[in-house]
Amino acid sequence: EAGVVQSPRYKIIEKKQPVAFWCNPISGHNTLYWYRQNLGQGPELLIRYENEEAVDDSQLPKDRFSAERLKGVDSTLKIQPAELGDSAVYLCASSLEGTGNEKLFFGSGTQLSVL
Amino acid sequence: KQEVTQIPAALSVPEGENLVLNCSFTDSAIYNLQWFRQDPGKGLTSLLLIQSSQREQTSGRLNASLDKSSGRSTLYIAASQPGDSATYLCAVVTDSWGKLQFGAGTQVVVTP
Repeated sequence: EAGVVQSPRYKIIEKKQPVAFWCNPISGHNTLYWYRQNLGQGPELLIRYENEEAVDDSQLPKDRFSAERLKGVDSTLKIQPAELGDSAVYLCASSLEGTGNEKLFFGSGTQLSVL
Repeated sequence: KQEVTQIPAALSVPEGENLVLNCSFTDSAIYNLQWFRQDPGKGLTSLLLIQSSQREQTSGRLNASLDKSSGRSTLYIAASQPGDSATYLCAVVTDSWGKLQFGAGTQVVVTP
């Protein structure tokens, strides 16, 4: 069974440019998470989806970040415009039901460098 | 606000030694605690999940304990191998939807 798939693996852009990350969760997983991991730190939640509904986006910087999960499967996270401080690894994760007592499965992440 | 701390930040041991990794959290109102492994340039792999009502969880050479009242968890890796070299992160689930609060991780190097 395929795991969580993310693309691209790496992205280098200049500040003020837009960038988008894509995630395909494990088949059948209803809950999808986007996390951001800064160097030397643990991941921090940006947004959580239950099917196509964003149920927790309290930590998403909405002035420049947006996300969507059309049809409750794939998801896209966008930054426009990117800032130097956005350089980080963006991780997507999924779980079956998001009940709080199940394991999360993470993708390999997208490493973003903003120059 | 929940804070998760992992000490030490880095650890180096010779092959064969047992590894002891520590995790502490400030708010004991958690749903569960999870340990993850992260290899360089890769995502996180779930190792163990301990429910809030449990005291420990075991998988192969890995054993994790949980003392919720004191806000501590310990991950033991028996008879370490070079392949165990990675960063180990602990995280607590703080709501019924599975929101994880992570520590910064302990970077482990096992030397042959």
